[in-house]
Amino acid sequence: GAVVSQHPSRVICKSGTSVKIECRSLDFQATTMFWYRQFPKQSLMLMATSNEGSKATYEQGVEKDKFLINHASLTLSTLTVTSAHPEDSSFYICSAREGGSTEAFFGQGTRLTVV
Amino acid sequence: DAKTTQPPSMDCAEGRAANLPCNHSTISGNEYVYWYRQIHSQGPQYIIHGLKNNETNEMASLIITEDRKSSTLILPHATLRDTAVYYCIVRAGWAGTYKYIFGTGTRLKVLA
Repeated sequence: GAVVSQHPSRVICKSGTSVKIECRSLDFQATTMFWYRQFPKQSLMLMATSNEGSKATYEQGVEKDKFLINHASLTLSTLTVTSAHPEDSSFYICSAREGGSTEAFFGQGTRLTVV
Repeated sequence: DAKTTQPPSMDCAEGRAANLPCNHSTISGNEYVYWYRQIHSQGPQYIIHGLKNNETNEMASLIITEDRKSSTLILPHATLRDTAVYYCIVRAGWAGTYKYIFGTGTRLKVLA
């Protein structure tokens, strides 16, 4: 299957700082990318959907000013967690889908710890 | 968005078939059923998907009932490496706006 790569795989940051997570599609053009958050022993929660060149569409309850999503190219999307707090500590996962494809492929996830 | 319901956990003996059920009684006519699995602390892995016909690939088989209100994922010969959380998802939206909403999943444990 297609490859989606996330970077970094783990990050620790201080409370109040911002952290950027990258999601790249390595062998296909990702028309649409999705960002999820997963707390321990829970399912994935969809945060937002972004189409290349357009503003992201956020799910209800997700603060768009706190979780900045940029999808400027067909192979790269970034999620920036601004002014991070300990409650933002979570496993963040991106997913990408090529236009016309029926499958979405997932990255390996980024574990964010805010101290 | 259609909601899916899955049993929280299942055990299966190694080498036997694992049958994972999913209810999606509010599914609409153009919504696909997808199955993904997640091994601990990794991103989900695509397994299979279908609309109304049964599907089979190298990983699994998907059986969808005629009324499409439920489906079963079959791993024909489960191995220890198949231990994971399995998610049944109904893909919501239409072309250009698809999104994949995860339910609570089934934690499958394959026993030696």
